[in-house]
Amino acid sequence: RKEVEQDPGPFNVPEGATVAFNCTYSNSASQSFFWYRQDCRKEPKLLMSVYSSGNEDGRFTAQLNRASQYISLLIRDSKLSDSATYLCAVKTVGGGADGLTFGKGTHLIIQP
Amino acid sequence: DGGITQSPKYLFRKEGQNVTLSCEQNLNHDAMYWYRQDPGQGLRLIYYSQIVNDFQKGDIAEGYSVSREKKESFPLTVTSAQKNPTAFYLCASRDQGASYNEQFFGPGTRLTVL
Repeated sequence: RKEVEQDPGPFNVPEGATVAFNCTYSNSASQSFFWYRQDCRKEPKLLMSVYSSGNEDGRFTAQLNRASQYISLLIRDSKLSDSATYLCAVKTVGGGADGLTFGKGTHLIIQP
Repeated sequence: DGGITQSPKYLFRKEGQNVTLSCEQNLNHDAMYWYRQDPGQGLRLIYYSQIVNDFQKGDIAEGYSVSREKKESFPLTVTSAQKNPTAFYLCASRDQGASYNEQFFGPGTRLTVL
């Protein structure tokens, strides 16, 4: 089983709509969770850290479900500029290398 | 401006050559990382360093080498032993004193083997 899995998409969503996607992780010892945004041929940029109680930053809401081992990202009132690939990343403490484990990303296309 | 810089942006290498990718940060971060990204793939960890003069192998270290002689610098050498080196290489750093382990990335180097 892959450690971090995402639906690759693409998700084609009309401008102004709400879109949500999930990321599942296999290691129950995972402790830190992140969403990164990556534009074409650019580096990943940190969008949000995902806290246990869930957190919101403007139009973006991140949730963590430890029981089912997934994190989610919700984007409200989507903008054309939200078109990008969204990578989830997981940090597992102890027992292995430092560093983040990334999913392959979910491609989001916001259509006018 | 504080940040992470990588050079060169594009690099072309002939088969059998070693090349070194530069990564510098002025964020005063202790930890630094190297990842590679292949098309349609997630990032995979090559090497990391949590302190000067110490580094550890990641998941795909074969064919790569690193050094950490200064806190600010973590160069990656892609050796001729790396069988498929064409990829997007990303350097990241992290403040180990921060509460939540966020990593921040440099702009990357695209390596192409001719």
